[in-house]
Amino acid sequence: GAGVSQSPSNKVTEKGKDVELRCDPISGHTALYWYRQSLGQGLEFLIYFQGNSAPDKSGLPSDRFSAERTGGSVSTLTIQRTQQEDSAVYLCASSLMLTSGAYEQYFGPGTRLTVT
Amino acid sequence: GDSVTQMEGPVTLSEEAFLTINCTYTATGYPSLFWYVQYPGEGLQLLLKATKADDKGSNKGFEATYRKETTSFHLEKGSVQVSDSAVYFCASLTGNQFYFGTGTSLTVIP
Repeated sequence: GAGVSQSPSNKVTEKGKDVELRCDPISGHTALYWYRQSLGQGLEFLIYFQGNSAPDKSGLPSDRFSAERTGGSVSTLTIQRTQQEDSAVYLCASSLMLTSGAYEQYFGPGTRLTVT
Repeated sequence: GDSVTQMEGPVTLSEEAFLTINCTYTATGYPSLFWYVQYPGEGLQLLLKATKADDKGSNKGFEATYRKETTSFHLEKGSVQVSDSAVYFCASLTGNQFYFGTGTSLTVIP
């Protein structure tokens, strides 16, 4: 079946502009995560959605970052007034809790954001 | 808070060499542990996992054992292949929060 998809795959934007990144999770997956992967760094957690619960926004680095998940499916990560330090690969993952209680995450290919 | 520390790379090995990539974790509870792999130009894929102490995860010839006493989850493979060249990420899961290491780049040369 289809995996997690993200769009666009690449985005180049000017400093100060707003950008929207999209994630289509695997159908039926109740959990959705956004991460940021900077060059030479690990994955930095940004935000987590689980079903209809309030999202865990504890990883968002500033109020310029926000995310929505409509209808429990598609999610959009918005970065307002982009800065050069926002340049990174933004990864989306979805998961379905396994009976063991251990989530197995499925990652999308990422969106490479470059702020000039 | 929780965190994952893994061996820094890059690692370069000859084909058929033995591989170990060290990973240790700190956690307030009893996390599940994972290894993810990112092949060139592709997204992260789950390689193996273990959900409790002494569990051994295995896949594609790779193994890792959940060692509670040393808070470790080292990745091993007895004989690497060129196709194993990738970046490997160790991760822990406590509750709904994943913690990832910084990744270890592996290059296997023929």
